[in-house]
Amino acid sequence: EDQVTQSPEALRLQEGESSSLNCSYTVSGLRGLFWYRQDPGKGPEFLFTLYSAGEEKEKERLKATLTKKESFLHITAPKPEDSATYLCALRGAGNNRKLIWGLGTSLAVNP
Amino acid sequence: SAVISQKPSRDICQRGTSLTIQCQVDSQVTMMFWYRQQPGQSLTLIATANQGSEATYESGFVIDKFPISRPNLTFSTLTVSNMSPEDSSIYLCSITQGSLGHTDTQYFGPGTRLTVL
Repeated sequence: EDQVTQSPEALRLQEGESSSLNCSYTVSGLRGLFWYRQDPGKGPEFLFTLYSAGEEKEKERLKATLTKKESFLHITAPKPEDSATYLCALRGAGNNRKLIWGLGTSLAVNP
Repeated sequence: SAVISQKPSRDICQRGTSLTIQCQVDSQVTMMFWYRQQPGQSLTLIATANQGSEATYESGFVIDKFPISRPNLTFSTLTVSNMSPEDSSIYLCSITQGSLGHTDTQYFGPGTRLTVL
């Protein structure tokens, strides 16, 4: 069964303190691993798609990486506006376009 | 990516009533999805709506409770019927858009925050 586990559940950082969020997964035939940002009461905002192990993508202070078992979202020198819940999702070969979602990591960045 | 809007953005409803949520996309899309996100939980797919065919519901969701319309390629509605406090959630409309032949990426609307008293 395809599965996604995110850790930690919550993370509190000081402004400028870099860290990483983890998304561990099991899947039969990865068709894509997705990272989203979600602000309270809002819809998820798409960040990155990763397709194969070794792939990396960057956007401003965020960098997503992918191995055969997990993905990391690295946050470099975070700012308070990076505070949000970060969601990981994947699509496997057998899912017929259905995304499997993690529970998310709630990130708080203190000024 | 396409721009997705939802109405209403939030509502407070009484037990036993129904609410219809609208989703409008600024371009034509084949597949639209409806999700529910209960407090403190991740996203749960309710159904997939293709234009011109009946919606496909996920396990645990039925058409009588969550009827969906998809009259054209830019619009869909989700109705939450005979509501109970357990239906209090954020309801999200989503579409897929492909990227250079790779697997499609899902994009989400701003959500409708529903509170049932």
